[in-house]
Amino acid sequence: QVQLVQSGAEVKKPGASVKVSCRASGYTFTTYAMHWVRQAPGQRLEWMGWIRAGNGNTKYSQKFQGRVTLTRDTSTNTVYMELSSLRSEDTAVYYCAPLLGGYFDYWGQGTLVTVSS
Amino acid sequence: EIVLTQSPATLSLSPGERATLSCRASQSVGSSLAWYQQKPGQAPRLLIYDASNRATGIPARFSGGGSGTDFTLTISSLEPEDFAIYYCQQRSNWPPEYTFGQGTKLEIK
Repeated sequence: QVQLVQSGAEVKKPGASVKVSCRASGYTFTTYAMHWVRQAPGQRLEWMGWIRAGNGNTKYSQKFQGRVTLTRDTSTNTVYMELSSLRSEDTAVYYCAPLLGGYFDYWGQGTLVTVSS
Repeated sequence: EIVLTQSPATLSLSPGERATLSCRASQSVGSSLAWYQQKPGQAPRLLIYDASNRATGIPARFSGGGSGTDFTLTISSLEPEDFAIYYCQQRSNWPPEYTFGQGTKLEIK
């Protein structure tokens, strides 16, 4: 069965960076793109971007272009999301979700990132 | 960017009643629309994809309809576990981006 295990909660200061990991299992990792979606408290879900796990190609939402970097490690089936120049508005739960069938039918458990001075 | 607008923001109904949720796109998305259910502290759960197809394991009381810019999610007879927040989501081929609606909270009346 598909499983996505994300790293634990983080607390960061404004201006810092955060790197969240997502380890995938239960499907052929390199065949599919991994997407990242975040949700600020009480807000809608917000798509951030994807990385093709096979070749490492990336596509980012214009909102996050220049601040987000997605990378992957095919030896451990892990994708990383790094967000820089953090501000309070980046406080959110960050989810990874592979696009296996055209939509997000599997999600990680979410990682809470809190940005606070 | 395609904007999805959901209505109503909050829907108050009783178990056993029928729920109809709406999602309107700022431009046509064809049938490339999905619906998700989210409960507090949980990740979203895919209910409907391609506007009208139920995802694996989703009960038959959930149905989706519409195409182009106007879509609906219908829950024929509400069960206690259906009270949650529902989001619509579209995927555009070009640019290849994904957007979500702001959500409809379905609460017990």
